[in-house]
Amino acid sequence: NAGVTQTPKFRVLKTGQSMTLLCAQDMNHEYMYWYRQDPGMGLRLIHYSVGEGTTAKGEVPDGYNVSRLKKQNFLLGLESAAPSQTSVYFCASNLYRDTEAFFGQGTRLTVV
Amino acid sequence: KQEVTQIPAALSVPEGENLVLNCSFTDSAIYNLQWFRQDPGKGLTSLLLIQSSQREQTSGRLNASLDKSSGRSTLYIAASQPGDSATYLCAVRQDSNYQLIWGAGTKLIIKP
Repeated sequence: NAGVTQTPKFRVLKTGQSMTLLCAQDMNHEYMYWYRQDPGMGLRLIHYSVGEGTTAKGEVPDGYNVSRLKKQNFLLGLESAAPSQTSVYFCASNLYRDTEAFFGQGTRLTVV
Repeated sequence: KQEVTQIPAALSVPEGENLVLNCSFTDSAIYNLQWFRQDPGKGLTSLLLIQSSQREQTSGRLNASLDKSSGRSTLYIAASQPGDSATYLCAVRQDSNYQLIWGAGTKLIIKP
């Protein structure tokens, strides 16, 4: 049982480049989330999804887009990367809102 | 706006000691509270989930308590071991939305 898997684990982008982070879960979870973690600030929610085909904005959505075409996958896109998007990105999922959340191993993104 | 605070930010204790980590939150209208550990460069591992109707949860040497009315949760670690060294994060899930609100974490070092 792989749980929550994120790809890639590391990436360096130049300002203005685009990329997509993939999150895959094999637990048949309804809810999926994308967070960013910055030093001294804790985790902040970027976007989330409450089921296949749905997405919603979190606390810091600007500069990011997401899609949930399949229940098991949640994609996070950066259309034009900026240095302020340098961060560690975590994907998480849970079966329902009141159940335990499981996290991926993170993607360390550097924008130069 | 919900705010979650973890004190202390860092803690260093000798192996074998019992210790308590604190988490406080400003809005008592929470759905549940979850404790995680994060090892350097790794993802987050869920430790304990306490629903708003519960007072405590236990898993092995870990015990988490919740006092919703006073906006406090504690994580008690018994007989600490060097392998317990990590950053411990607490997060509350709001009644009103799907978002987890995070504390900045307590970095715990257990000295052999």
